[in-house]
Amino acid sequence: DQQVKQNSPSLSVQEGRISILNCDYTNSMFDYFLWYKKYPAEGPTFLISISSIKDKNEDGRFTVFLNKSAKHLSLHIVPSQPGDSAVYFCAASGPFTGNQFYFGTGTSLTVIP
Amino acid sequence: GAGVSQSPRYKVAKRGQDVALRCDPISGHVSLFWYQQALGQGPEFLTYFQNEAQLDKSGLPSDRFFAERPEGSVSTLKIQRTQQEDSAVYLCASSFSGQGRYGYTFGSGTRLTVV
Repeated sequence: DQQVKQNSPSLSVQEGRISILNCDYTNSMFDYFLWYKKYPAEGPTFLISISSIKDKNEDGRFTVFLNKSAKHLSLHIVPSQPGDSAVYFCAASGPFTGNQFYFGTGTSLTVIP
Repeated sequence: GAGVSQSPRYKVAKRGQDVALRCDPISGHVSLFWYQQALGQGPEFLTYFQNEAQLDKSGLPSDRFFAERPEGSVSTLKIQRTQQEDSAVYLCASSFSGQGRYGYTFGSGTRLTVV
């Protein structure tokens, strides 16, 4: 039972345009969400996070939006750059998850120069 | 070191062979985690240490998997009698705080291929 879902395995975007990566979750008790970025042959690196007490968090070109009623979060990258090409994972945790995060299956973003 | 270091980077094992995967966390990090990432999937939790204590091993898929962190720093994940379904990237992560709820730093992983 996949509790965190990324339904788009891949996404292609033109350089300079907006990239929107989506993530859905099933358990309303999740209260903390992360986005990780992963290049080939490297481990995931932390990108941005959001707590359930907020609906938006912004860090430079990256903004994460959280819609708790829809159990949906999205990552916006504006403007997209070729170096953003990577696999993006969303992850969720909550008081019931102990110290583990539940990860989605990832979305491979390609930014076309 | 500056980051989480894992060795070996790649390991090919014959089915039935035992393997040991090593993780050197960031110095001073209290918490250490092991995750398994199968091809095309997201990382899945295996086990968690706080210092030398293994506080959660609920994600270990079978009793063939064993992890230790005897001195609260380096950790080893051991897989006995490897099977083809064990083929995956094994990721280690560490965090400074006693709880990993707010994210942690991953290593580059060990890619295990069982043939």
